[in-house]
Amino acid sequence: QSALTQPASVSGSPGQSITISCTGTSSDVGSYNLVSWYQQHPGKAPKLMIYEDNKRPSGVSNRFSGSKSGNTASLTISGLQGEDEADYYCCSFATSGTYVFGSGTKVTVL
Amino acid sequence: QVQLQESGPGLVKPSQTLSLTCTVSRGSITSSGYYWTWIRQHPGKGLEWIGYIYYSGSTSYSPSLKSRVSLSVDTSKNQFSLKLSSVTAADTAVYYCARADYRTYNFDFWGQGALVTVSS
Repeated sequence: QSALTQPASVSGSPGQSITISCTGTSSDVGSYNLVSWYQQHPGKAPKLMIYEDNKRPSGVSNRFSGSKSGNTASLTISGLQGEDEADYYCCSFATSGTYVFGSGTKVTVL
Repeated sequence: QVQLQESGPGLVKPSQTLSLTCTVSRGSITSSGYYWTWIRQHPGKGLEWIGYIYYSGSTSYSPSLKSRVSLSVDTSKNQFSLKLSSVTAADTAVYYCARADYRTYNFDFWGQGALVTVSS
């Protein structure tokens, strides 16, 4: 079971929008609408940002949005802010009844 | 809100068994619809799902760790535990416990993480 593929880093200026991709297979990302995204600041536990491909938990800014096409999911952060600088991980439930995480993306706010 | 807290030795010798416990507070581990999960993160690396357990005792494990992992639950103490046998330096990581929502399959609450170092 290989990790989902994410770009190692993405950067943008304040106010801009950025998109992070997460590519899996038909056995995970492409099988269910069960991709979630997590934000992790240094030394902190991950925080749920998106679930079921495109749903936001209560309290998460609407600047964060999720989408999916085939075996690739995406997280878009609009109106980029300094506090968005963090690592982001996608995660998918798989047909094997297990979970697989993405390789992680470091977001830098220029 | 549910709170989770990992506890256990921070240093384990190679070939021994790593043991961690997660205590759940402000919520019951027997609440239906939640899987109690372990996830780890090697230093400077990404997240790795280890496995989950339901309060009834049913489990699911990562294929890559299945031969060495055992999860258990103690409903009387509102705790669940991880045992990882025959550890090596490659098992040095921050270990997180988390709650997985059975209906939406995401990890909505996490512990703060516990660093476990494997070294002689």
